[in-house]
Amino acid sequence: NAGVMQNPRHLVRRRGQEARLRCSPMKGHSHVYWYRQLPEEGLKFMVYLQKENIIDESGMPKERFSAEFPKEGPSILRIQQVVRGDSAAYFCASSPPSTYEQYFGPGTRLTVT
Amino acid sequence: ILNVEQSPQSLHVQEGDSTNFTCSFPSSNFYALHWYRWETAKSPEALFVMTLNGDEKKKGRISATLNTKEGYSYLYIKGSQPEDSATYLCALNDSSYKLIFGSGTRLLVRP
Repeated sequence: NAGVMQNPRHLVRRRGQEARLRCSPMKGHSHVYWYRQLPEEGLKFMVYLQKENIIDESGMPKERFSAEFPKEGPSILRIQQVVRGDSAAYFCASSPPSTYEQYFGPGTRLTVT
Repeated sequence: ILNVEQSPQSLHVQEGDSTNFTCSFPSSNFYALHWYRWETAKSPEALFVMTLNGDEKKKGRISATLNTKEGYSYLYIKGSQPEDSATYLCALNDSSYKLIFGSGTRLLVRP
């Protein structure tokens, strides 16, 4: 059973461009979570999704950030018009239904130049 | 807002030493506590999930205890090895499934 996959592992974008980060959960996991680690800070929750539904987006910045988890395919975290402050490591985790356990991917390191 | 505190921030020990770290949290609104082991450039690796007061979990040389009434958990490593060097993260669920993380304890084990 492959673990949580994230791609790309490293992404460089110029200010104003769009960033798309992908997360493929573990097989059988229908719940996906995104977390962000800003430089010199800990992991912070962004959004919790189930297939085709956003359950909790209380940690998402109000503008430019969106997330989806379609019926088919990976979960996508999309950042429009990136700014330098978006430079961070973005981690995805997945879990099966009705459990507290979360399994993490290796992260995508976004650098905005 | 749930606040998770970890101490110490970093720890250097000699190979063979046993060590422990602390995770503190408000004792109300507790649902589950997680310990993760995180090596640089890798995925955080789940070590333990604990939900009940008095829970004790063990995996090899690593063990953890939970006291929900006083709001703390200890992680113990017996006979530390250089490969134990990593950041150890504590995280809590409150009433939702999202995890609230502490800032971690960075462990360096010298050969």
